[in-house]
Amino acid sequence: KAGVTQTPRYLIKTRGQQVTLSCSPISGHRSVSWYQQTPGQGLQFLFEYFSETQRNKGNFPGRFSGRQFSNSRSEMNVSTLELGDSALYLCASSPGIGTEAFFGQGTRLTVV
Amino acid sequence: KQEVTQIPAALSVPEGENLVLNCSFTDSAIYNLQWFRQDPGKGLTSLLLIQSSQREQTSGRLNASLDKSSGRSTLYIAASQPGDSATYLCAARIPQGGSEKLVFGKGTKLTVNP
Repeated sequence: KAGVTQTPRYLIKTRGQQVTLSCSPISGHRSVSWYQQTPGQGLQFLFEYFSETQRNKGNFPGRFSGRQFSNSRSEMNVSTLELGDSALYLCASSPGIGTEAFFGQGTRLTVV
Repeated sequence: KQEVTQIPAALSVPEGENLVLNCSFTDSAIYNLQWFRQDPGKGLTSLLLIQSSQREQTSGRLNASLDKSSGRSTLYIAASQPGDSATYLCAARIPQGGSEKLVFGKGTKLTVNP
């Protein structure tokens, strides 16, 4: 059974640009969550999608957005990139509420 | 607001030693608590999941316990090996706004010396 797949693995962008990250959950999982990991703040929750609906959102500015498709794949978009957006972005999938979360390898975003 | 704390931040032990990693949380209203392992530059690997109604879970040399009343969980690693060197993270899954999210501790960086 394939795990959670995130693409691309590494990304370098310039300030002011926008970026789209992709996450393919484990087959059959309908919940996809996104987290940002930085050395200073640790892992912080961005948002969660279930059956194409955003059910929950963390305390991030509106520049961070996402969506989920009918096949449960999810994308995360960050517009007007800032240096502080440099981080490891992790995606997790779960079968449903209160179940085990499985993470992908992450996308390392560097903003220069 | 749920806060998750892990102590110590770093731990160095000789190979073969048994060890305990600690995780505490401030709000007992959790769905479950999950322990993860993260190797440098990599994603998170799920180690053990304890539902709120359970007291402990075991997998191989790993044993995790949960005490909701005291807001504590421990991860016990028996007969540690150099390959166990990694950062260990605990996360509480909490209800929020009709949905849920994981709240993570900052992790314990474990080094097992040969």
